[in-house]
Amino acid sequence: DTAVSQTPKYLVTQMGNDKSIKCEQNLGHDTMYWYKQDSKKFLKIMFSYNNKELIINETVPNRFSPKSPDKAHLNLHINSLELGDSAVYFCASSQNAGAGNTIYFGEGSWLTVV
Amino acid sequence: DQQVKQNSPSLSVQEGRISILNCDYTNSMFDYFLWYKKYPAEGPTFLISISSIKDKNEDGRFTVFLNKSAKHLSLHIVPSQPGDSAVYFCAATDTGFQKLVFGTGTRLLVSP
Repeated sequence: DTAVSQTPKYLVTQMGNDKSIKCEQNLGHDTMYWYKQDSKKFLKIMFSYNNKELIINETVPNRFSPKSPDKAHLNLHINSLELGDSAVYFCASSQNAGAGNTIYFGEGSWLTVV
Repeated sequence: DQQVKQNSPSLSVQEGRISILNCDYTNSMFDYFLWYKKYPAEGPTFLISISSIKDKNEDGRFTVFLNKSAKHLSLHIVPSQPGDSAVYFCAATDTGFQKLVFGTGTRLLVSP
C-alpha cells in the first residue's frame, strides 16, 4: 500500500497546454510538499502545505498552482506549459512542518513538454 | 547559488569495503542534515539524519559524521553491499518550516 502516491507517473504534452498532477498520502500527515528535479538533477522545493494552508512558496511562476482540498491531497496544476517545465515532480509528506520530521516522497511524475 | 554540494558525482566500491560519501554546505543557518537514497524511477527514501548538536549518528551499517566548523558531512556505509548501489543525496534544512535543500547526488556502485 503506497504511502505517497502520485498520478500520472508519465506525462507527455504540448507547449501551451494545461495539466495537473495529483498526489495523495495515506500516512495521516499534516504537511505535504511538491519538489521538482530538473534536467541537471537539482531537486528543489516548490511548495509546502500544512493542514491545507500554504506555508512555503519558493518563487515558483504563478503558472504553477497547488491545491490542497484536504490534508491527504495536494494537487499541482500547471498552466500554459513551457519546454522548461519538463522535469520530474515529486510529491512528499511529513508528520508536521518542523525540521526533524522525516519527509516521505512519492515515486515522481515525469513531465515532458514538447 | 548551490548551498549544498556533493562534489563527487560517482563512487565505485567493492562489496564488503567502506563507502564514504561527502557533502559540503555553505549556509551556516542549516542545523539539520539528512541523507536520502534514490533508486531509478523511484522517489528518494530517507536514510539517516543528524542534528547540528551532534557530530555523529549511527544506524546499523550507516553512520553520518558532521563537522560544523568545516561545514562538511559524510556518510559511511560499512560493509557496502550491492543493494546499496543507488544515488545518494545529501540535504539540509534550518529551523522553522522544513525546507530541504538538496545536493546534486553521488551515484554509488557497489560491485560484487
